[in-house]
Amino acid sequence: GAVVSQHPSRVICKSGTSVKIECRSLDFQATTMFWYRQFPKQSLMLMATSNEGSKATYEQGVEKDKFLINHASLTLSTLTVTSAHPEDSSFYICSARDSGRSSYNEQFFGPGTRLTVL
Amino acid sequence: QKEVEQNSGPLSVPEGAIASLNCTYSDRGSQSFFWYRQYSGKSPELIMSIYSNGDKEDGRFTAQLNKASQYVSLLIRDSQPSDSATYLCAVNMGGNKLVFGAGTILRVKS
Repeated sequence: GAVVSQHPSRVICKSGTSVKIECRSLDFQATTMFWYRQFPKQSLMLMATSNEGSKATYEQGVEKDKFLINHASLTLSTLTVTSAHPEDSSFYICSARDSGRSSYNEQFFGPGTRLTVL
Repeated sequence: QKEVEQNSGPLSVPEGAIASLNCTYSDRGSQSFFWYRQYSGKSPELIMSIYSNGDKEDGRFTAQLNKASQYVSLLIRDSQPSDSATYLCAVNMGGNKLVFGAGTILRVKS
């Protein structure tokens, strides 16, 4: 149980293009999902909290117009990196909380998406 | 500022030994605590959660929580080379979010 998938696992794109990353909870419902970014040899950085049916909550310093988040169902959240630039190259990881176990606040991580912007 | 602190390591232990990983946190009101393992190039994997003072054992892993000292630890018995990874301590300090430590690199030498 508690499986989270991400797609794609790896993407290479040209500067100025947009990239969409999907995060799905496969065997549980998740009203809340989280998007993290991790640069090499650094710790996880929370970018935003994705709430089903409402607007995402962004962390300080994260541009909401550049990192668009949509959480349209209880099992799917998407992150779109708009007008990507080389400095956006990173490892993007989503996580999800099981709505049925919300009191425990466990987060289960997807396998991550490695984005390279040329 | 709410913080979770870990020694970055690397912590090197010989195969078969006990690895002890430590974590302190700043918010005395924190209620839930987690240990994640992250292999190089991979995403974190939840290995232990603990909510009450004392010890919680799961196979070779034991999590220890002391809320009075604001301290949580992870013991790995009979360490194996496959345990070599970065171990992240995470604390729920209220709300939905987890606050992560920077992680401790563990190296198990055969």
